[in-house]
Amino acid sequence: QSVLTQPPSASGTPGQRVTISCSGSSSNIETSYVHWYQHLPGTAPKLLIYRINQRPSGVPDRFSGSRSGTSASLTISGLRSEDEADYHCAAWDDSLSAWVFGGGTKLTVL
Amino acid sequence: QMHLQESGPGLVKSPETLSLTCTVSGDAISSTNYYWGWIRQPPGKGLEWIGSVYYTGSTYYNPSLKSRVTISVDTSKNQFSLKLKSVTATDTAVYYCARHGCGGDCYHFWDYDFDFWGQGTQVTVSS
Repeated sequence: QSVLTQPPSASGTPGQRVTISCSGSSSNIETSYVHWYQHLPGTAPKLLIYRINQRPSGVPDRFSGSRSGTSASLTISGLRSEDEADYHCAAWDDSLSAWVFGGGTKLTVL
Repeated sequence: QMHLQESGPGLVKSPETLSLTCTVSGDAISSTNYYWGWIRQPPGKGLEWIGSVYYTGSTYYNPSLKSRVTISVDTSKNQFSLKLKSVTATDTAVYYCARHGCGGDCYHFWDYDFDFWGQGTQVTVSS
C-alpha cells in the first residue's frame, strides 16, 4: 500500500488530454515539492515534472503539473503513442521522514 | 552524459545480505550539488525509497528499512553501494540507483528530486 494514491490505469486517444491524480496528505503533498516520473519498463525512469510544475530541459510543454491542497495532478495534452508508459508521483513526507511514492499509473494510448 | 549503472548478484539467499553497487559516469560523485540514492520496486507494487548518501558519507535512510540498510560512497571509484542484511522474499524487487538533483534553491535534503536514474537491476531472494 503506497503512501500516495494514484489510479492504477488511465487511457486516452491520440490528441486527447489526460490527467493523472496523486492523492496524499498534509505531511507530504500539501507541504512538499511534488515530482513526476515517466517509466517504460526495463528502462531508467525519467524525471518529467519537478517542484510541482517545472519541466526539465527537453520535456515537451504538453506535460504539466499542478497541486491543490493534498492532491497533485499530471496533465498530458495532445496525447501521443509514445506517451504510453507508467507514471509515478513522489514527495517528501515530513511525518515519516522519507521519500514516498504513488503506486504508479499505467497510461494506455488507444 | 549522465549515466548510472547498477551491478550485483541477481539472486540472494535468505537470510543473507544483498549487496549492490552503482557506478556513476558523466559527473563526479564528490560534487557538492548532489545526493545519491537507492529506490526499489517489488513486483506489482509502487516505488519505495531505501536511502541516500552524500559524498561525505552522510546518510538518510527510510525508517522502515533503517535497521537493515547501509549505504556508502567510494569517491575514488565514483561509486556508491547498498547493503541490505537479513533479506527475505519481500525484498525481491527491481533495484534502482538515482541521483538527487536540485531544481532551484536547495537548503535541505528534501528540497532535491531524483533527476537521473539507472535502468535498474532485478534481485530475487530465494529460500
